[in-house]
Amino acid sequence: EAQVTQNPRYLITVTGKKLTVTCSQNMNHEYMSWYRQDPGLGLRQIYYSMNVEVTDKGDVPEGYKVSRKEKRNFPLILESPSPNQTSLYFCASSLLAGMVDGELFFGEGSRLTVL
Amino acid sequence: GQQLNQSPQSMFIQEGEDVSMNCTSSSIFNTWLWYKQDPGEGPVLLIALYKAGELTSNGRLTAQFGITRKDSFLNISASIPSDVGIYFCAGLSNYQLIWGAGTKLIIKP
Repeated sequence: EAQVTQNPRYLITVTGKKLTVTCSQNMNHEYMSWYRQDPGLGLRQIYYSMNVEVTDKGDVPEGYKVSRKEKRNFPLILESPSPNQTSLYFCASSLLAGMVDGELFFGEGSRLTVL
Repeated sequence: GQQLNQSPQSMFIQEGEDVSMNCTSSSIFNTWLWYKQDPGEGPVLLIALYKAGELTSNGRLTAQFGITRKDSFLNISASIPSDVGIYFCAGLSNYQLIWGAGTKLIIKP
């Protein structure tokens, strides 16, 4: 089944404890992206990648890192999480690097709480 | 970052009612999209619009790409319980999606 898989789906952690949220897609998509969703603010892009080894900042990159060593994987790293990073996170992918048709395929989301 | 103006923020409707929501921008887009997020899941693309003035339907959903290319509308006819969720508009610009804040649809019991 074609899908974007994120792990973990739920995580409660403490301030400063490094964590990684994994994202994997099995559709051979070029483009991958991370979003966070907060009430009233909609979806805000954190980082995106148009291809392997190519990553760029989105609108809210502070406090996050990403890597794209393989086409299928795009992990999101929080080196030193803080409470303001408590949010619902989505990974998404699109077939073409330029996302020319605008269709993104989203994972099911990862709810992160930082105490 | 830039965000589209999406309204209303939320809607309380009775089952069977028609629903309308819209998105506006100060910038021109060549592609408008409407996504729906069911509770507990990621957004899914409903309708994509690629041409100014275009009117496209997907079942009970109809969306229009505004003639000025600065707005788009989504209508849902005869709403049913499974229509609940958050609807997002998005415009494609320079290979990036610009998002609205979402319209939350709630069906009154």
